[in-house]
Amino acid sequence: GAVVSQHPSWVICKSGTSVKIECRSLDFQATTMFWYRQFPKQSLMLMATSNEGSKATYEQGVEKDKFLINHASLTLSTLTVTSAHPEDSSFYICSAAGGRLGNTEAFFGQGTRLTVV
Amino acid sequence: DAKTTQPTSMDCAEGRAANLPCNHSTISGNEYVYWYRQIHSQGPQYIIHGLKNNETNEMASLIITEDRKSSTLILPHATLRDTAVYYCIVMTTDSWGKFQFGAGTQVVVTP
Repeated sequence: GAVVSQHPSWVICKSGTSVKIECRSLDFQATTMFWYRQFPKQSLMLMATSNEGSKATYEQGVEKDKFLINHASLTLSTLTVTSAHPEDSSFYICSAAGGRLGNTEAFFGQGTRLTVV
Repeated sequence: DAKTTQPTSMDCAEGRAANLPCNHSTISGNEYVYWYRQIHSQGPQYIIHGLKNNETNEMASLIITEDRKSSTLILPHATLRDTAVYYCIVMTTDSWGKFQFGAGTQVVVTP
């Protein structure tokens, strides 16, 4: 399958600081990328959809000013958690779709474990 | 509201077939059935998908009932590495990629 890579795999940051997570599609051009969040023992929750070159669309209840998403190219989307707080500690996962994958497959990154202390 | 219903958990003996059921009684004609799995602390992994015909690939088989209201994922020879949470998701290509994950089925493969 196609490869989607996230960086970093894990990060620990201090409360009040900002953290940037990168999501790259390594062998295809992703017209659309998605960001999910997963709390312990819970399922994945969709946070936002980002299309290359346009503003992200956020799901209800997700603060767009806190979770900044940039999809500047067909192979890279970034999620920045601004002014992070301990309650933002979670497993963040991106997925990518489109390009040669068409509209029938999507692949996920390996996830980023964020711990805010 | 969840569009699919799956058992919370199931155990399977190593080497045996694992049959994972999924109910999607409100599925519409243009919705596909997708299966992904998530091994602990990793991103979901694509397994298989189908619309109305049965499908098979190197990982699994997908059996969809004629009325499309339910389906079964079959792992033909389960290994310990198949221990994971398995998600059954229905979606149309119009909302492609916007997965609404349910709780999934925790599959534990035992020696």
